[in-house]
Amino acid sequence: AQKITQTQPGMFVQEKEAVTLDCTYDTSDPSYGLFWYKQPSSGEMIFLIYQGSYDQQNATEGRYSLNFQKARKSANLVISASQLGDSAMYFCAMREGRDDKIIFGKGTRLHILP
Amino acid sequence: ETGVTQSPTHLIKTRGQQVTLRCSSQSGHNTVSWYQQALGQGPQFIFQYYREEENGRGNFPPRFSGLQFPNYSSELNVNALELDDSALYLCASSFGMGEAFFGQGTRLTVV
Repeated sequence: AQKITQTQPGMFVQEKEAVTLDCTYDTSDPSYGLFWYKQPSSGEMIFLIYQGSYDQQNATEGRYSLNFQKARKSANLVISASQLGDSAMYFCAMREGRDDKIIFGKGTRLHILP
Repeated sequence: ETGVTQSPTHLIKTRGQQVTLRCSSQSGHNTVSWYQQALGQGPQFIFQYYREEENGRGNFPPRFSGLQFPNYSSELNVNALELDDSALYLCASSFGMGEAFFGQGTRLTVV
């Protein structure tokens, strides 16, 4: 079974609109961390936001917020007031407990339209 | 900018050759992980080094090996290159199990 599921292969959004990128995860470990990364065409994986499983509040970083719904095992990324520079591939990822590796989803390609 | 640097940025090798990729971790970070990202896929975990010892390994054959140095920089070595090894190789540094920051990657092409 996939640990991280991103159901939107591609999305087109008008500039300045808000956008939600979906992510669901699967784990039986009570301790885990969730990440979102942005990957532009240059290839670098840019860290956006982190949510720990025990964090009481949803994480926010500037225009990025993580809508964490623990019971539904959902960790959607919300980008407010989208910009042309937000066009990129976005990956949801998870690290379980004391595990060493980060598991990535297949990604969502976001296109911001002028 | 993350402070994680990788070299070289691009590389072309012939099948059967060996390659060494390098990564300098962010200041203060003691853990380095390597990932392979094939075209159109998410990154796949290769292995992790913590305090110069391998600390976990993904589903990759032994011809993928690594090193971590006292300054926490790291190398990824791949022997007997195969065409399927063509990918973007990403290095990530972190302090223990904290947030991981990635370098810009090395794009390896095997011909």
